[in-house]
Amino acid sequence: DQQVKQNSPSLSVQEGRISILNCDYTNSMFDYFLWYKKYPAEGPTFLISISSIKDKNEDGRFTVFLNKSAKHLSLHIVPSQPGDSAVYFCAASVWGGSEKLVFGKGTKLTVNP
Amino acid sequence: KAGVTQTPRYLIKTRGQQVTLSCSPISGHRSVSWYQQTPGQGLQFLFEYFSETQRNKGNFPGRFSGRQFSNSRSEMNVSTLELGDSALYLCASSPPQPRTQFFGPGTRLTVL
Repeated sequence: DQQVKQNSPSLSVQEGRISILNCDYTNSMFDYFLWYKKYPAEGPTFLISISSIKDKNEDGRFTVFLNKSAKHLSLHIVPSQPGDSAVYFCAASVWGGSEKLVFGKGTKLTVNP
Repeated sequence: KAGVTQTPRYLIKTRGQQVTLSCSPISGHRSVSWYQQTPGQGLQFLFEYFSETQRNKGNFPGRFSGRQFSNSRSEMNVSTLELGDSALYLCASSPPQPRTQFFGPGTRLTVL
């Protein structure tokens, strides 16, 4: 079963506007969440993370929101830039002495000039 | 600091052969994890090593194995290659805190 879901395979936004990428999870034991950006044939690049004890974390243009009761997190990119065009992956982990990341299937973001 | 490095970047093998992939983590990182990315299954966890010990293993057959050396460098091995093993293999390293994994560029394996 898919424990981390990104239900939108793609998203298209205009340059300068806000991009909102969503992620849902089913495992209530997840306590650390991360967003990665990925280009084809390259490794994922870490963007931002959030611990389950927080509901918001900001880093420059990137903000991640966590709603534990809804088991939902979102990544906001403001303002969006053409260079943000990539596939974005949501990932989650459970602390248990090992860092196994469970990934969503990804959302392809296209930012149009 | 230098990032995670993986060698080789590209490999072409035939069915039945075996392959060894190498990963050098970020200096000071003792945890190394391996992931497989395929179009159908996405990014899936293979295993994680810490201080030369496997701490966790994903749901892959025994043909997939790994090890970690005392300098934290890691290798993964796939024996008796199958066509379905064609994938991008990614290595990631992480410090104890924060719990963030940093990925290498990956090794693209093609099995013919």
